Amino acid sequence: EDQVTQSPEALRLQEGESSSLNCSYTVSGLRGLFWYRQDPGKGPEFLFTLYSAGEEKEKERLKATLTKKESFLHITAPKPEDSATYLCAVHPYSGAGSYQLTFGKGTKLSVIP
Amino acid sequence: DAEITQSPRHKITETGRQVTLACHQTWNHNNMFWYRQDLGHGLRLIHYSYGVQDTNKGEVSDGYSVSRSNTEDLPLTLESAASSQTSVYFCASSENLGSEQYFGPGTRLTVT
Repeated sequence: EDQVTQSPEALRLQEGESSSLNCSYTVSGLRGLFWYRQDPGKGPEFLFTLYSAGEEKEKERLKATLTKKESFLHITAPKPEDSATYLCAVHPYSGAGSYQLTFGKGTKLSVIP
Repeated sequence: DAEITQSPRHKITETGRQVTLACHQTWNHNNMFWYRQDLGHGLRLIHYSYGVQDTNKGEVSDGYSVSRSNTEDLPLTLESAASSQTSVYFCASSENLGSEQYFGPGTRLTVT
């Protein structure tokens, strides 16, 4: 069974205090891994797609990396506006014609001024 | 700008009633998805469609149905609402199979 585990469940950082969020996955094969940001009362907002181990993507203070078993979302010098829940999703090889995503439960990030 | 919209944004209904949640996208994407989001769970797939007249069951499809008569819309119907279906529902679409999905703002449904 495909599984996606995100840690920690919640993270509080001081403004400017860099850290990383983890997404570990157990799938038979990986077609792609996605990171989303979700603000309270809103739908998930797409951030990054990673397809192969060693790949990295960056956007402002965020950098996503991928290994064969996990992905990290690194947040450098975060600001209060980075506070949100960050979701990880994997697109596994689950048989012909299957294009479903499996989501983790998310990490709730709070950045304190 | 292209977008994906959902209506209503909030809905309260009674147990046993039929409820339809609307999803409309102007991306012209063939692929559309319905998820529910509950505390303690990740987003869980209810139904999905890869094109007009195509519908497929997801992980938690019992008690739900969808139909796809055009590219833009994928309405989600709860045939007989149950309290266990109280949740936040998100619609999403994607351009290519396996590519990133773009989500709507969500519908908060309460079944009393």
